[in-house]
Amino acid sequence: GIQVEQSPPDLILQEGANSTLRCNFSDSVNNLQWFHQNPWGQLINLFYIPSGTKQNGRLSATTVATERYSLLYISSSQTTDSGVYFCAVAEGGSQGNLIFGKGTKLSVKP
Amino acid sequence: EPEVTQTPSHQVTQMGQEVILRCVPISNHLYFYWYRQILGQKVEFLVSFYNNEISEKSEIFDDQFSVERPDGSNFTLKIRSTKLEDSAMYFCASRTPSGRVGYEQYFGPGTRLTVT
Repeated sequence: GIQVEQSPPDLILQEGANSTLRCNFSDSVNNLQWFHQNPWGQLINLFYIPSGTKQNGRLSATTVATERYSLLYISSSQTTDSGVYFCAVAEGGSQGNLIFGKGTKLSVKP
Repeated sequence: EPEVTQTPSHQVTQMGQEVILRCVPISNHLYFYWYRQILGQKVEFLVSFYNNEISEKSEIFDDQFSVERPDGSNFTLKIRSTKLEDSAMYFCASRTPSGRVGYEQYFGPGTRLTVT
């Protein structure tokens, strides 16, 4: 099955800093989503981005499907950005079942 | 904005008991999913459901698990005889058919199951 690798596993930032999270996947996909898991365990959908670039406020994401990676950019980080960020993909031709990476744990210090 | 809802938010049960986790997907969605996340680990796919039958399931989804869409709105996950290792957060998700709108899945807030 498809493999999903996220890096780095842990990231510590000072408030106001920028960061880039990476997601590599091993095969073609028909879905790629980025999630933020908040302290209550809820998965907050950040982006649906199987290809291309999207922006939402301080967050943006780019997926280069031909090279099998996606990047999540966080600018001017805030303490509320802390949590775990997951990348999840669905293989092309599948019923859409998402395969999650292990996540990047982000801690933003004041 | 439409959203996926799940009940209860937290369920505590004793080992060996049956539990039913409930989900109400977004009303015009046709594909439904259950996922599981053991504390501190990644989210894992359990089962997908379309046209009133299971379309795909993972190795985790063994005979103690079952899913059902008992009416036009609810989607349930039943665990027949719970084990300690079933303690986890369970997420329900749904999506429309593919095509112009793509494959984006919408997740519920989760049910935290604690087996004692």
